[in-house]
Amino acid sequence: VLVTQTPSSLPVSLGDQASISCKSSKSLVHNNGITYLAWFLQKPGQLPQSLIHTVSNRFSGVPDRFSGSGSVSDFTLKISRVEPEDLGVYYCLQYVHYPLTFGAGTKLELK
Amino acid sequence: EVQLVESGGGLVQPGRSLKLSCAASGFTFSDYYMAWVRQAPTKGLEWVASISYDGGSTYYRDSVKGRFTISRDNAKSSLYLQMDSLRSEDTATYYCTTESSSWGDAWGQGASVTVSS
Repeated sequence: VLVTQTPSSLPVSLGDQASISCKSSKSLVHNNGITYLAWFLQKPGQLPQSLIHTVSNRFSGVPDRFSGSGSVSDFTLKISRVEPEDLGVYYCLQYVHYPLTFGAGTKLELK
Repeated sequence: EVQLVESGGGLVQPGRSLKLSCAASGFTFSDYYMAWVRQAPTKGLEWVASISYDGGSTYYRDSVKGRFTISRDNAKSSLYLQMDSLRSEDTATYYCTTESSSWGDAWGQGASVTVSS
């Protein structure tokens, strides 16, 4: 399954809203009806942080300014008001079809 | 507290082998599929392999099929990745992670593997 993540770079100002797109070449809806799409943030020199699973469910401790949406093969991660600790590279992951595939990443950086 | 701790990384010559381990604690290991993810220097995240609860099913990316073997020991709450016939393109930091509906709920700190002569 090909996962296309855009944009590759997203310059923002603090307080801006940011939006990242992730599109898959196949439906990510499992036979059980659940859609398996996740989002991660990796800050420089750190291991990945899990933000959202199953399209729109935030992991414990993730601020509510992060929201995931979408269905079938078209998904979006929104950050309502970018804060300094949100800067880094964001990845989406489809985990319904093996081989699992990550998007190429979106670097969220300051203008 | 959920913890995943990788070990076994290092510098290895092309064509040689290396075995990574991941020790899990703070959760019921046998209740989770587990996965290895890698990241080459300055590159993105790349899924490598996954294993089912009891080890009965395994899945690999094409580039490591036939060379890497994922396994687990539920009695020891441990995950392994046996890497044979290593190539320079296998140079990466390898992370173990939990695989469930909430994929990536826990990540190890990573084990660095460098394949070079």
